[in-house]
Amino acid sequence: NAGVTQTPKFQVLKTGQSMTLQCAQDMNHNSMYWYRQDPGMGLRLIYYSASEGTTDKGEVPNGYNVSRLNKREFSLRLESAAPSQTSVYFCASTNPRGSPLHFGNGTRLTVT
Amino acid sequence: GQQVMQIPQYQHVQEGEDFTTYCNSSTTLSNIQWYKQRPGGHPVFLIQLVKSGEVKKQKRLTFQFGEAKKNSSLHITATQTTDVGTYFCAGPYTDSWGKFQFGAGTQVVVTP
Repeated sequence: NAGVTQTPKFQVLKTGQSMTLQCAQDMNHNSMYWYRQDPGMGLRLIYYSASEGTTDKGEVPNGYNVSRLNKREFSLRLESAAPSQTSVYFCASTNPRGSPLHFGNGTRLTVT
Repeated sequence: GQQVMQIPQYQHVQEGEDFTTYCNSSTTLSNIQWYKQRPGGHPVFLIQLVKSGEVKKQKRLTFQFGEAKKNSSLHITATQTTDVGTYFCAGPYTDSWGKFQFGAGTQVVVTP
């Protein structure tokens, strides 16, 4: 099993450009997440999806949009990238009731 | 709002020594999870604690959940170079059990 797959692995954007980060899981999980990781700040939740068709804001949703396309896929879109969005982005999935999160390998995004 | 705090932020350990990292929540948690992230990698689930006062061991790692379910600790004995990485605790949001809030992590550096 591939688990959680994120694309791309690396991306450099200029301020104002847009892009979509893709995430897919093959574990039949209901819940999916987008986190960002910045030095000294741990993992901060951007958006969460409990099931297909539902999304919920996390701690830091401003500047991002998400789409839960189906049970497998959960994408994160930056409409107008800003240098403050330079970060490592992790997608994760799980089944509910406190089960462990399974993380993808991350996308390293730099906005210049 | 709900906060999950970890101390220390950095831990330099001589190989063979013991150390402890602590996790404190501003609210009572239904459960707490611990993750390890190797340099350049993604977080990987280590363990989940659910019961008040629970203690679990994984080889040289001992995890404890406080009696009030507001704090937790990870104790590593006889540290090895394979223990290098960042250790995160995570607890569910009280208003949404499906969402997890992570602490800032303890970065562990091991000196041979």
